[in-house]
Amino acid sequence: KNEVEQSPQNLTAQEGEFITINCSYSVGISALHWLQQHPGGGIVSLFMLSSGKKKHGRLIATINIQEKHSSLHITASHPRDSAVYICSEPLCSGSARQLTFGSGTQLTVLP
Amino acid sequence: EPEVTQTPSHQVTQMGQEVILRCVPISNHLYFYWYRQILGQKVEFLVSFYNNEISEKSEIFDDQFSVERPDGSNFTLKIRSTKLEDSAMYFCASSVILVDTQYFGPGTRLTVL
Repeated sequence: KNEVEQSPQNLTAQEGEFITINCSYSVGISALHWLQQHPGGGIVSLFMLSSGKKKHGRLIATINIQEKHSSLHITASHPRDSAVYICSEPLCSGSARQLTFGSGTQLTVLP
Repeated sequence: EPEVTQTPSHQVTQMGQEVILRCVPISNHLYFYWYRQILGQKVEFLVSFYNNEISEKSEIFDDQFSVERPDGSNFTLKIRSTKLEDSAMYFCASSVILVDTQYFGPGTRLTVL
């Protein structure tokens, strides 16, 4: 079973700071999914990436498949970025029993 | 923008009762999923559904659970005889293809008394 670890578990930042959330996994995978869970519980898919880097607005996700590591960066953070950020192994055929979610990083951005 | 919808938003039921959670995926999506999140715990995968049949399921998805796409729009999760430990937030999601961005519904909070 793939062990997915996120760090830090909790992160408090001041508005405008550059934020990095890390995700490491134990078993090689072909892609990684970053999700955002809002305080109300709703989940939004941020990125699905299998190599290199993806950017969407102020969010940047990178992945190094060989090192089994991915990072999510937020530039110019804002209080509305406050949420739980979750990395997960996306579902691929035959992997359901091993489908793993990280425990999430609780981000709080203070004004 | 198209979105996944779920009903009800909150369901309270007695232990042993059957519940059906409903989802309407995005119309051109082909893959549908159910996840659950017990309060304070990680999101857990339950099942994926493609071409009118289950394509993958986790160990959590035992005989008490079933899924169905009864018509062209709804995707349902049935729990036959609810247990206290089934209390959780249940999320439906859909995607165009398998390894692709998934769009999540707002969730149904199930409380089993």
